Amino acid sequence: GQQLNQSPQSMFIQEGEDVSMNCTSSSIFNTWLWYKQDPGEGPVLLIALYKAGELTSNGRLTAQFGITRKDSFLNISASIPSDVGIYFCAGQLYDMRFGAGTRLTVKP
Amino acid sequence: DGGITQSPKYLFRKEGQNVTLSCEQNLNHDAMYWYRQDPGQGLRLIYYSQIVNDFQKGDIAEGYSVSREKKESFPLTVTSAQKNPTAFYLCASSIGRVGNIQYFGAGTRLSVL
Repeated sequence: GQQLNQSPQSMFIQEGEDVSMNCTSSSIFNTWLWYKQDPGEGPVLLIALYKAGELTSNGRLTAQFGITRKDSFLNISASIPSDVGIYFCAGQLYDMRFGAGTRLTVKP
Repeated sequence: DGGITQSPKYLFRKEGQNVTLSCEQNLNHDAMYWYRQDPGQGLRLIYYSQIVNDFQKGDIAEGYSVSREKKESFPLTVTSAQKNPTAFYLCASSIGRVGNIQYFGAGTRLSVL
């Protein structure tokens, strides 16, 4: 099945910096989701987006549902060491498709 | 506490052996899923089930089998036919039909001896 194109694959940043990652698809979706996975654990839902153009925040995290319904981005402001992990996007139409993940490393 | 419990956390398989991974949820969710995760790749769907006694193959079902005898339980068997079983396995569930927001268990790491 089709997977989503998520970029970048990995990021190495300094504590306090802002982070931006995105997901694109050739197909439209009705819902975009962003998950975070800590090492050796299952993904945890961070933000869910339900409408094209929607911009939603959860603390230092902000995500947007692209106008074309084919993309979404996630921003993390003022990163801290506990932001380390893998961030996955997921798009839903009839089923759920996942990106390959962005591995974030934060240097203190 | 409501949630999805996967066991064991770590599992080792010998050549030619079948092993079963457990997934139990007390969220009263209808749909349950099994995914395989390999390093640097996204989650790949193995099997899913929308109701008891019914399940469907996902993208990589070969070498795996499942059952759904109870709403709360969706065990995955990795058979000897799966020649490259080493991976992190994730179970998920969702309210209602397939495609709704999925919530994940903590995963089982399977290795080959």
